[in-house]
This record gives sequence, structure tokens and C-alpha cells, in this order.
Amino acid sequence: DVKVTQSSRYLVKRTGEKVFLECVQDMDHENMFWYRQDPGLGLRLIYFSYDVKMKEKGDIPEGYSVSREKKERFSLILESASTNQTSMYLCASSSGLAGGVGNEQYFGPGTRLTVT
Amino acid sequence: AQKVTQAQTEISVVEKEDVTLDCVYETRDTTYYLFWYKQPPSGELVFLIRRNSFDEQNEISGRYSWNFQKSTSSFNFTITASQVVDSAVYFCALSEVEETSGSRLTFGEGTQLTVNP
Repeated sequence: DVKVTQSSRYLVKRTGEKVFLECVQDMDHENMFWYRQDPGLGLRLIYFSYDVKMKEKGDIPEGYSVSREKKERFSLILESASTNQTSMYLCASSSGLAGGVGNEQYFGPGTRLTVT
Repeated sequence: AQKVTQAQTEISVVEKEDVTLDCVYETRDTTYYLFWYKQPPSGELVFLIRRNSFDEQNEISGRYSWNFQKSTSSFNFTITASQVVDSAVYFCALSEVEETSGSRLTFGEGTQLTVNP
């Protein structure tokens, strides 16, 4: 079974803190994705990576950065957390070159981040 | 720009009823993929089905069926004889084929389905 794990299920941080969300997949997938999920908005793509050290902005990259030093690990970084970044964060991975055209994405369980 | 609309925010049915979840999409591409995912209370999205834009054949998998109609840009999902375990948020998603960065998913807002005993 494909396994995508995220470092924390729940996280509480203070405004201004630097926050790291970690994601690891064990299926040797080329592509990894970070989404945030908010009620009524569905999932929105923050960043994605289709190769080690490669990254591309998604639809809402402002306030976030990412790091992919190893194929299996994709980190989302909130440089200075703000209350409007309180959300559920979901990591996903998929196989295939060039972003995995048409391939399904496998999701982790999510991290519910609260910024106070 | 691509867009997916799931107009039904919440649906509540009684067990054994049939229920259809609507999905309407917008895209300018001729080649694209459509997906349905299920998100149970545990939070992890589970892949249900993928369809490419050249295959309009409907699909049935047990109690689940999908109706893809390009003429109306719709990809609807029907659960027959619903069960309590079907209670979840269901997402429809669209993926266009992009030249430089492959495939990205655009999700709809999601439909919360509650099946009552």
C-alpha cells in the first residue's frame, strides 16, 4: 500500500513563529504536493514538486515556501505564521514523470494547524 | 482557467436511498482527467475513480456509478442503496495536461454526504 505520512495530526503555533510541516512517502513517487483545505473552498494547491530540488508554485503560494532535498520528503514552511494560515494541510504524492499526467494522487492524513 | 463546481454543499439521506452528487467542470483543454475522491471523518482522501476526456463510457463499481457527459461538462457520481459508511465529504477534481509541469489537480468545494440509519 502507498503510504503518505505527515509529521503531526494537530499543531498549535503562535503568530510569527516559523512552522515546518513534514511529509514523507514510501512509494518512490516523483511528484509531491501540498494543499490546504478550508470549509467551502475545497482543496487549494500551495506548492508542488516533480523532482528533487524542483518546486513550482500552486494557486496560493503566498506566505509559504517548500523544500525537497530527498525524493521521499517534501516540507512545507510557514516563514512567519499568521492567523489566516489556520487550516488543514494535506500532502499528496503521485507517480510518473512530468508531474504524473493523469495519475491519481495519494494523500496523507492531514495536519490541522491552528495559529493563535 | 480550469474550475470545478460542486453545487451541493450538504446532502442528507436515509440508509438505502440512492443519492447523486453533482460535479460540473470548466476547461479549455481537449485533453484532461476527472477524478472523484472520498474523505471520511479520519481525514485522509481516498481515490475513487479517474476518467480521461476521451472516454465517455459510464462506469459502475459495486454500488458506485459515474456518469460522464462532455456535452454538459458534468461528471456525476451516484451511490445506490446508500449505507452509513458512505458518510463522508466527496470531492470532484479536474486535471489538465500542462506542458511544463505536468498534471495539477483543481478540486471542487466538496459535498458533505450524511447517511442516516
